[in-house]
Amino acid sequence: GENVEQHPSTLSVQEGDSAVIKCTYSDSASNYFPWYKQELGKRPQLIIDIRSNVGEKKDQRIAVTLNKTAKHFSLHITETQPEDSAVYFCAASIYSTLTFGKGTMLLVSP
Amino acid sequence: EPEVTQTPSHQVTQMGQEVILRCVPISNHLYFYWYRQILGQKVEFLVSFYNNEISEKSEIFDDQFSVERPDGSNFTLKIRSTKLEDSAMYFCASSRESSYNEQFFGPGTRLTVL
Repeated sequence: GENVEQHPSTLSVQEGDSAVIKCTYSDSASNYFPWYKQELGKRPQLIIDIRSNVGEKKDQRIAVTLNKTAKHFSLHITETQPEDSAVYFCAASIYSTLTFGKGTMLLVSP
Repeated sequence: EPEVTQTPSHQVTQMGQEVILRCVPISNHLYFYWYRQILGQKVEFLVSFYNNEISEKSEIFDDQFSVERPDGSNFTLKIRSTKLEDSAMYFCASSRESSYNEQFFGPGTRLTVL
């Protein structure tokens, strides 16, 4: 089955810095890659997603890049703010099942 | 904005007891899922459900687990005989379509098995 690795497990940045979280997947048939943000005690919420036929997608301060050859995708957050502090999960999907990475705890210090 | 809801928020049970976790998916969604998250670990897929049938299930979803859509709104996960290792946060999710489609998560039910 699909396996998703996510790094780093924790990431501390200063407000205004950029943050990058990286994921790799194992199954080349995966074709949909969402990123979820989970604040403490709350539900995971989708922040951005990308399909396998697209290399990059941007939404304001958030961008995702996908390298299908390397089976690698990344989340980029620019101009980080304290409210960006949360756990971020990447996931890969072939049909509908989401296989998640282990999560990255992002801490943004004012 | 419509949201997935789940009840109860926290369920404590004794080992060997049956539990039923309830979810109300978003009303126009057709695909329903259960995931679990053991404390400090990643979210793991359990089962997906469409058109009153299981579409996919993981190795975790063994004979102790079952799902049901008893009416037009509820989607339930039953664990027949709970084990200590079933303690986790259980998330229900729903989506309008299957592929390339955002799955909306509920707030979760924290299950504690004593």
